[in-house]
Amino acid sequence: DQQVKQNSPSLSVQEGRISILNCDYTNSMFDYFLWYKKYPAEGPTFLISISSIKDKNEDGRFTVFLNKSAKHLSLHIVPSQPGDSAVYFCTSNTGKLIFGQGTTLQVKP
Amino acid sequence: NAGVMQNPRHLVRRRGQEARLRCSPMKGHSHVYWYRQLPEEGLKFMVYLQKENIIDESGMPKERFSAEFPKEGPSILRIQQVVRGDSAAYFCASSPGWGNTEAFFGQGTRLTVV
Repeated sequence: DQQVKQNSPSLSVQEGRISILNCDYTNSMFDYFLWYKKYPAEGPTFLISISSIKDKNEDGRFTVFLNKSAKHLSLHIVPSQPGDSAVYFCTSNTGKLIFGQGTTLQVKP
Repeated sequence: NAGVMQNPRHLVRRRGQEARLRCSPMKGHSHVYWYRQLPEEGLKFMVYLQKENIIDESGMPKERFSAEFPKEGPSILRIQQVVRGDSAAYFCASSPGWGNTEAFFGQGTRLTVV
């Protein structure tokens, strides 16, 4: 039973353009979400979070949007840079982090 | 402030041996999580511990796997009688509290069973 789903396994964008990574969840009780970035052979790195009392949180090039009625969140990266190429995980913190399957982002120079 | 420290980074064990993976949380963090990443798969939750307590072990295999987080010292994930299917990257994360808070990950221990 996957409570957090990332339906796009991969995404390729051109440097300088916007990257949009999507995530859906099933449990309406989830109220805190986080995005992590992971490079091969390294641990996940925390990127940005959002509480359900907000619908948007911005940190530099990274913005997370939350649509509670649709149980959907998205991560926008703009402008995208080649160093952003990594696997991105959406999670909900319910006392334990429940991870999506991840989306591999490739930013082409 | 040092981050989450995991050791060893790489561990090779023969089938049937025991593997011990250590995780020292960030300073001030009393909550530890263990995750496993099998090749070509995502991060799977294993266990969530607070000092001297197992809070949630719903992701732990029923046999051979155990975890502890003593009052003093690192958290330990122990795998007894390892099999080839245990080969994976094991990640530890820590957080200062329960729920609505960020958790920070270590670099992982890559276990190879030969």
